[in-house]
Amino acid sequence: GEEVAQTPKHLVRGEGQKAKLYCAPIKGHSYVFWYQQVLKNEFKFLISFQNENVFDETGMPKERFSAKCLPNSPCSLEIQATKLEDSAVYFCASTGGTEAFFGQGTRLTVV
Amino acid sequence: DQQVKQNSPSLSVQEGRISILNCDYTNSMFDYFLWYKKYPAEGPTFLISISSIKDKNEDGRFTVFLNKSAKHLSLHIVPSQPGDSAVYFCAASGGMDTGRRALTFGSGTRLQVQP
Repeated sequence: GEEVAQTPKHLVRGEGQKAKLYCAPIKGHSYVFWYQQVLKNEFKFLISFQNENVFDETGMPKERFSAKCLPNSPCSLEIQATKLEDSAVYFCASTGGTEAFFGQGTRLTVV
Repeated sequence: DQQVKQNSPSLSVQEGRISILNCDYTNSMFDYFLWYKKYPAEGPTFLISISSIKDKNEDGRFTVFLNKSAKHLSLHIVPSQPGDSAVYFCAASGGMDTGRRALTFGSGTRLQVQP
């Protein structure tokens, strides 16, 4: 597609439940990024993919967070056993060159 | 340790005047800089970028200036319009495969353009 599509737009989970977020990058873009925005400001890089391969995972929490980009499927970000501090907006972005294009984000609220 | 800093959380200007948003960085490895605009409940939208081999890049009403020695960049919007009211984020990346590297963002400046 012509835009980065993220689903769902909102997600509410009880503490300890699993959360799974999806991202369909722009067609033809081979790089996908996940960012976490807490408190409306700070964007924290989590992980990036080159096609289905992890490119950079230096921002990914060691526990509970995992991500995949499989062929012919949306990319996904999964949080096992969510905690209150995971509440944030999660943005996906894709790029085929120098500028990254962002999706509208998924707002995760952990209660 | 914030590597990209936007020290002004907010800025208010009159319609038709110039808006100047500032950004400082500390990491000498950064060599590509971008500005994004963000409306509430939407993702950041790419505005303009500049490579470290240039000191100015212009696109319509938007101009970005880069001062490498001072590790400072600024975004000028002339003339400002009410529709420009949004949060503006400065972002930087560097090293090999620039553009495919993760972006480091500033904390944003909220611009309000008064009619």
